[in-house]
Amino acid sequence: QVQLVQSGAEVKKPGASVKVSCKASGYTFHTYGISWVRQAPRQGLEWMGWISGYNGNTNYAQKVQGRVTLTTDTSTSTAYMELRSLRSDDTAVYYCTRDYTGGRIDHWGQGTLVSVSS
Amino acid sequence: QSVLTQPPSASGTPGQRVTISCSGSSSNIGSNYVFWYQQLPGTAPKLLIYRNNQRPSGLPDRFSGSKSGTSASLSIGGLRSEDEADYYCAAWDDSLSGVVFGGGTKLTVL
Repeated sequence: QVQLVQSGAEVKKPGASVKVSCKASGYTFHTYGISWVRQAPRQGLEWMGWISGYNGNTNYAQKVQGRVTLTTDTSTSTAYMELRSLRSDDTAVYYCTRDYTGGRIDHWGQGTLVSVSS
Repeated sequence: QSVLTQPPSASGTPGQRVTISCSGSSSNIGSNYVFWYQQLPGTAPKLLIYRNNQRPSGLPDRFSGSKSGTSASLSIGGLRSEDEADYYCAAWDDSLSGVVFGGGTKLTVL
């Protein structure tokens, strides 16, 4: 079965960077992309960007473009999301998701809480 | 402010049918597939409906989706207490070149 297992919770100070990993299993990694979605406390879902598992092409949401970098390591079927210049409003649960082409999310990781506080 | 508009709350009694709406525009729902997700308290969202009206294998047919023009809806029949959750619609937006979500609807089973 498809599984997306994310790295553990992080606590960061404003201005720092965070890198969250997402290890995929149960499917052929390069045939799907990965979208990252975040959810601030008691808020809705916000799409951050998508990366192709085939060739690494990326597409970022305007709101985080310039601060976020999505990468993959096909040798380990792992995706990464790095967010820089963290602010308090980046505090959220970050989810990696299996997304065929962008906008076709069918599986979710368990989520990684990133807390940003001085 | 979410690009897709959902009612913030909905409710029903056990056994009833509830419908949750999702309104968008020609650049998202009007030209792309709609997906629906269920988020139980404290858990990650789970896919309920894909490609407007398709159910993943194993999902009971109490859940159904439909789309017309720039709006979509999710119907849950034979309501159960375990259906209490937040429900989100989503679609690709051609103008924004990204995925857009509704603000979510909190379903309460009375």
